[in-house]
Amino acid sequence: NAGVTQTPKFQVLKTGQSMTLQCAQDMNHEYMSWYRQDPGMGLRLIHYSVGAGITDQGEVPNGYNVSRSTTEDFPLRLLSAAPSQTSVYFCASSLTRYNEQFFGPGTRLTVL
Amino acid sequence: AQRVTQPEKLLSVFKGAPVELKCNYSYSGSPELFWYVQYSRQRLQLLLRHISRESIKGFTADLNKGETSFHLKKPFAQEEDSAMYYCALGRIKAAGNKLTFGGGTRVLVKP
Repeated sequence: NAGVTQTPKFQVLKTGQSMTLQCAQDMNHEYMSWYRQDPGMGLRLIHYSVGAGITDQGEVPNGYNVSRSTTEDFPLRLLSAAPSQTSVYFCASSLTRYNEQFFGPGTRLTVL
Repeated sequence: AQRVTQPEKLLSVFKGAPVELKCNYSYSGSPELFWYVQYSRQRLQLLLRHISRESIKGFTADLNKGETSFHLKKPFAQEEDSAMYYCALGRIKAAGNKLTFGGGTRVLVKP
């Protein structure tokens, strides 16, 4: 199993550009989440999904959209990038709500 | 609202010395507490969870509901313990497997 994969590893955007961060897992996990990691602030939950077709907002959802059309994929979309979205983004998945979350390697995003 | 506080941003200890990472939380319901670790150039991974009551890599953590703390301890630190450590709070029976993370503590174990 590849586990949780994320692409790209690095990305530089200009303010106002849009892009999609990809996340996929091959473990048939129900739960998937997106977090952003900023120095001194730990990881903060952006959006999460409890299964295909079901998503909900986390702690810091503004400026981000998600969808979950399949169990495997959970892309994160930035519609109009802002410098405040410069961060490291982690995707995570777990089998059920009671199970350990497995994290992807992260995407480092810089918005100029 | 739930909150997790890790008061130390950096802990520097010598090899063989004890290390204790502090974690305090605020939550009105039944919490689940976790410690996650991120070694250099590796992804974040679960170190231990309070319901398991186990020792992983020599680390232990006890949930103290009276003090709302979940400090991580190791009696004899090793160089390979150098990493970023995050305390995280989950909510039992909450919709979604959501975690609230503390700000993290970087541990540096010197030879």
